[in-house]
Formats: sequence, structure tokens, C-alpha cells
Amino acid sequence: KQEVTQIPAALSVPEGENLVLNCSFTDSAIYNLQWFRQDPGKGLTSLLLIQSSQREQTSGRLNASLDKSSGRSTLYIAASQPGDSATYLCAVVAGGTSYGKLTFGQGTILTVHP
Amino acid sequence: NAGVTQTPKFRILKIGQSMTLQCTQDMNHNYMYWYRQDPGMGLKLIYYSVGAGITDKGEVPNGYNVSRSTTEDFPLRLELAAPSQTSVYFCASSYSFGVQGSPRGEKLFFGSGTQLSVL
Repeated sequence: KQEVTQIPAALSVPEGENLVLNCSFTDSAIYNLQWFRQDPGKGLTSLLLIQSSQREQTSGRLNASLDKSSGRSTLYIAASQPGDSATYLCAVVAGGTSYGKLTFGQGTILTVHP
Repeated sequence: NAGVTQTPKFRILKIGQSMTLQCTQDMNHNYMYWYRQDPGMGLKLIYYSVGAGITDKGEVPNGYNVSRSTTEDFPLRLELAAPSQTSVYFCASSYSFGVQGSPRGEKLFFGSGTQLSVL
């Protein structure tokens, strides 16, 4: 059974810092991996999607990497801002799937203070 | 473009009551999903649908039912509410899945959630 773990559970940093969020998964046979952002009382917003054949994806100040063989992904946020404060979730889809059944980690709560 | 819309946003039920959580999307997405999120936990899949008239169970389907009569709508039914169903429910949709060369179609779009308490 696929299990997804995110470390740390919570992170507090001053504005301007570069930071890394970690995600690990137990079964390396994945189809893709997505990083989401969740704001309090809101739904999830997809940030980056990495296919199993890819090593990384970038969007603005965000960069996500994938190392399938070691079962790890990292989300790098450059020059963090208070507006980045949210819960970040990673989720994987098992290889060979024909639908989007995501297995989620429990999330990292990020606080960026001015 | 409204995206994925869920109603209601909040609801309190008594044990044994029934209710339907509504979900509609206006993006012409084929795939739709219902997830639940318990406090401090990740999301778990309840049911999913790959198109109108086609539904299937996810990881935690017990106590729930779904239907998909149109592309746009995917309601979730709770027949006999139990305290264990206290959770935040999220509906999501995606255009496609498993189609090579169209990763954009596999991004999931989520509604803002329904917070349900069963007392």
C-alpha cells in the first residue's frame, strides 16, 4: 500500500528565505506526482505536476524535483513571501492507473513572517 | 468560469439523518472525484467517475453513494449519517487521465469544500 510522508509537519521562516519541503513515498512505481497548496477554509490548488518520466518542473518561484528510484520529491520555494503561507500537500498516483486516485501526504504547514 | 462549485459550505447533521452534497463543474471535465479530509490528515478518495453514467468506489466508500447523470454534476449522498463521517469533503475534477502527452489534462481542480459535522 502506497504511503506518502511529508517532512517537516510545520515550518516557520522569515520573509525572503529560500526553503525546501520534502515528500517521500513508499512505492516508486508512480504515474505522476502533484504538489498542492491549501489555504484555510479553501480548496486545494494544483501548483506543479511531475510525470514519472520527468525530473523536475518549475513555475515562477517554485521548483519541484522528483527522484522516483529513492521515492522522494522536494518543493523548493525561492525568496519566500508572507503570501506563501499555507499548507502544502504532495500526492502521488500509482503507476498503471486509469484514473486520478491520488494518495496524499498529511501536509506541511508553512508560515512566512514579515 | 466558476470551476468546481460545492454546496453547502457547512452543515450539521444528527446521527441517522441523510443529506446530499452537491458538486458541479463547468470545465467540461470527464473525470470527477470525491475526497474527504480529516483533521491533520491528507485526503482520501471516496468515489470517482470517469464519465456520465460511470462511477466506482475509491478507498473509503462505505456509508456513501454517488451518481453521475450529467457531465457537470456529481452529487455525494450520505444515507445514515454517523459521527465517523464528520469531515471536510472536497469535490474535484480533471479533463483526462492516463492519456500520454497531455499532463495538463491530469491536473485536478478542487472545490472549496463542505465542512460536515455529525452530532
